[in-house]
Amino acid sequence: EVQLLESGGGLVQPGGSLRLSCAASGFTFASYAMSWVRQAPGKGLEWVSAISGSGGIPYYADSLKGRFTISRDNSKNTVYLQMNSLRAEDTAVYYCAKYGPAAISYYFDYWGQGTLVTVSS
Amino acid sequence: QSALTQPASVSGSPGQSITISCTGTSSDVGSYNLVSWYQQHPGKAPKLMIYEVSKRPSGVSNRFSGSKSGNTASLTISGLQAEDEADYYCCSYAGNNIVVFGGGTKLTVL
Repeated sequence: EVQLLESGGGLVQPGGSLRLSCAASGFTFASYAMSWVRQAPGKGLEWVSAISGSGGIPYYADSLKGRFTISRDNSKNTVYLQMNSLRAEDTAVYYCAKYGPAAISYYFDYWGQGTLVTVSS
Repeated sequence: QSALTQPASVSGSPGQSITISCTGTSSDVGSYNLVSWYQQHPGKAPKLMIYEVSKRPSGVSNRFSGSKSGNTASLTISGLQAEDEADYYCCSYAGNNIVVFGGGTKLTVL
């Protein structure tokens, strides 16, 4: 059974940093690209970032470049999101999501339960 | 990376069919058969319902179907049931390994 378990969320002051983790199990982790998707309170889904299975290629939403960094440790079956210079508008539930199995796959077949990040003074 | 356009809300009675539209541009929906749909109940994680425009994952009811014409994709739910009441999001590949979501549609089963 595929499981994705996010952690690392919490309350942080504007300008602060936070690192989210997503521990994966139930599939061959290194074979799949992974992504972070966020959802501000009462709002829709927003794609944040993705990383290839090997970890060599990260991708980011244009609005976030330079502040967020995605990485993965395939030996630990974990993907991370380092968030710096946080702003109030980054307040959201952050979901970890697994890309589908096809070689060219741009959909998310499994999602974690999310971790809440609150940016406030 | 502009969000895809969905109606804010749709409604239908049990047993009826409804369709949710998702309008993008020639740079995303119109260029790729890589549209997916997600169902999200309050306080829960999204669930994949349709991928690659019209394919259903194992375990998803065949009451859910997807299609695309030009820059607009659609999700149709037939034989509406109370449990279908949820938010629905479309998502499309937009090139350069980037995906974009729609703003979401709240489905109310009357």
